Amino acid sequence: DGGITQSPKYLFRKEGQNVTLSCEQNLNHDAMYWYRQDPGQGLRLIYYSQIVNDFQKGDIAEGYSVSREKKESFPLTVTSAQKNPTAFYLCASSPSGTVIEKLFFGSGTQLSVL
Amino acid sequence: AQSVTQLDSQVPVFEEAPVELRCNYSSSVSVYLFWYVQYPNQGLQLLLKYLSGSTLVKGINGFEAEFNKSQTSFHLRKPSVHISDTAEYFCAVSPSASEKLVFGKGTKLTVNP
Repeated sequence: DGGITQSPKYLFRKEGQNVTLSCEQNLNHDAMYWYRQDPGQGLRLIYYSQIVNDFQKGDIAEGYSVSREKKESFPLTVTSAQKNPTAFYLCASSPSGTVIEKLFFGSGTQLSVL
Repeated sequence: AQSVTQLDSQVPVFEEAPVELRCNYSSSVSVYLFWYVQYPNQGLQLLLKYLSGSTLVKGINGFEAEFNKSQTSFHLRKPSVHISDTAEYFCAVSPSASEKLVFGKGTKLTVNP
């Protein structure tokens, strides 16, 4: 079945540690996105990529980094510079990198700080 | 900058009652409008979308929404809700020909027996 796979489902980070969240899609979509979800805050855009080897900062990129070396993969690294990383992270994709007609979402990763 | 306001953070209703979840957006340009639903600990699923054409849009699970350009609103409605409709609902907007989607803060719908 086509879709978006996020792993792991739950992740724990120690102080000063970098952690990487995985996002893979087999939909052959050009664009991929990372959102952060906090209770009562809705979804906020961290980074997005419209094509391979290119990505742009979203509204809350500080403390995060991404790469887009392959069309199907868009991993997110939460660095030690992100002082409040506890949140639910959602990856999404869209067929087009220029006009959004629909976003397809993964099932999310819950990141917590030990 | 584009913004989306969902006027109610929580909406409790009884089973089989009608429900309306309100959404207003700020924009003076042509927009695409969306409603997504999120069940606990899951990703978001598209309920319905307005891109152009008829202002009354029908979606999955019996939901519908009406685009009102003069009031910059896109309210979601269902004439009779079920327990299984309990979830969080997000309104989102994208200026047409934009690569970004802006989400509201969500409305938690709780359907009680």
